[in-house]
Amino acid sequence: KAGVTQTPRYLIKTRGQQVTLSCSPISGHRSVSWYQQTPGQGLQFLFEYFSETQRNKGNFPGRFSGRQFSNSRSEMNVSTLELGDSALYLCASSFGGVFANTGELFFGEGSRLTVL
Amino acid sequence: AQSVTQLDSQVPVFEEAPVELRCNYSSSVSVYLFWYVQYPNQGLQLLLKYLSGSTLVKSINGFEAEFNKSQTSFHLRKPSVHISDTAEYFCAVSDANAGNNRKLIWGLGTSLAVNP
Repeated sequence: KAGVTQTPRYLIKTRGQQVTLSCSPISGHRSVSWYQQTPGQGLQFLFEYFSETQRNKGNFPGRFSGRQFSNSRSEMNVSTLELGDSALYLCASSFGGVFANTGELFFGEGSRLTVL
Repeated sequence: AQSVTQLDSQVPVFEEAPVELRCNYSSSVSVYLFWYVQYPNQGLQLLLKYLSGSTLVKSINGFEAEFNKSQTSFHLRKPSVHISDTAEYFCAVSDANAGNNRKLIWGLGTSLAVNP
């Protein structure tokens, strides 16, 4: 069973640009969550999508957005990049749903974004 | 709101020594508890979890954690560590009664450094 796949693994952007990151969840998983990981802040929750709808949202500015497609694949977009957006962006998938969702997540290896 | 505290940000130990990584959570509601591990340049992997039943849970690589409801703790232990255990360890909690809004609340992580 294939794991969670994130692309690209590494990317470098300059301030003001925008970036789109992609995540393919484990087959059968309907929930996709996104996290930002930095050395000082740890894991910060961005948002969660379930069946193409945003179900939960963290405390990030509107420059951070996401979407989920009918095949459960998800993308997140960051517009007008700032230096502080440099981080490892992690995607995680789970079965979702009230009875199946224990909160256990399956993570991809992340997309490391560097903003210059 | 639920919060998770990992009491040590860094734990240096010598190889073959025992180790304990401490985790406390704030709310005594019914919870699911998790330890995740992140090896260098990788995503997070589930190490072990407590959902119900026996309060002592074990991983395949020798780690164990004990759910203590009265202390609201879920400390991670290993009697003898290896160099390969060097990694970042994250404790996480989810509210078992949260239904569709169930999500993981994360600690800031403990960096375990095993020295020869």
